[in-house]
Amino acid sequence: EIVLTQSPGTLSLSPGERATLSCRASQRVSNNYLAWYQQNLGQAPRLLIYGASDRATGIPDRFSGSGSGTDFTLTISRLEPEDFAVYYCQQYGGTPWTFGQGTKVEI
Amino acid sequence: QVQLQESGPGLVKPSETLSLTCSVSGDSISSGDHYWSWIRQTPGKGLEWIGFIYYTGTTYYNPSLKSRLKLSVDTSKNQFSLELHSVTAADTAVYYCAREGILIRAFDYWGQGTPVTVSS
Repeated sequence: EIVLTQSPGTLSLSPGERATLSCRASQRVSNNYLAWYQQNLGQAPRLLIYGASDRATGIPDRFSGSGSGTDFTLTISRLEPEDFAVYYCQQYGGTPWTFGQGTKVEI
Repeated sequence: QVQLQESGPGLVKPSETLSLTCSVSGDSISSGDHYWSWIRQTPGKGLEWIGFIYYTGTTYYNPSLKSRLKLSVDTSKNQFSLELHSVTAADTAVYYCAREGILIRAFDYWGQGTPVTVSS
């Protein structure tokens, strides 16, 4: 199975700053089938990005995804107060689908 | 608006069967446009995909759970269900049901999640 490693574990930033989150796969992710989710405490994850770089419906354009192969990045251009949460990457290029362990973005 | 809602016991005894149902509204399982998945989350292991089912009954299970797992679908009720047999404390988690696109195999709608504890 494909193991996803996210870094850093925690990112301490202020509103208005830029956040850069990394997700590295143990093997190439087929067709760049990589998604990013945001999860707030006590809530289900919310899809932000799919196909490595396509924003899901209703997601603000301050969220962008990039990368290919084994290295992927989620960038939040200017952090809003509601963006402080935990972010997960997930690959659906090879079964079983797997998730990274998460990056917490904190104030 | 698509909504998913998990239901089932919050407490299961070790060695027994964990049974959950996901009720779908705002979309029809029998439309064939999506797969329907179960995912669980624990503080230790994080998010783990359990498996998916299609409206025809076709399933795909995570190999790590395959020997204990059964997914089923009831299109007349617009529901799908999970049975996990011979549970242990390691199966204690928040269980989510989610919708997965046929083409975009990411999870675009999730239930709110239901906590399940395995304990005697």
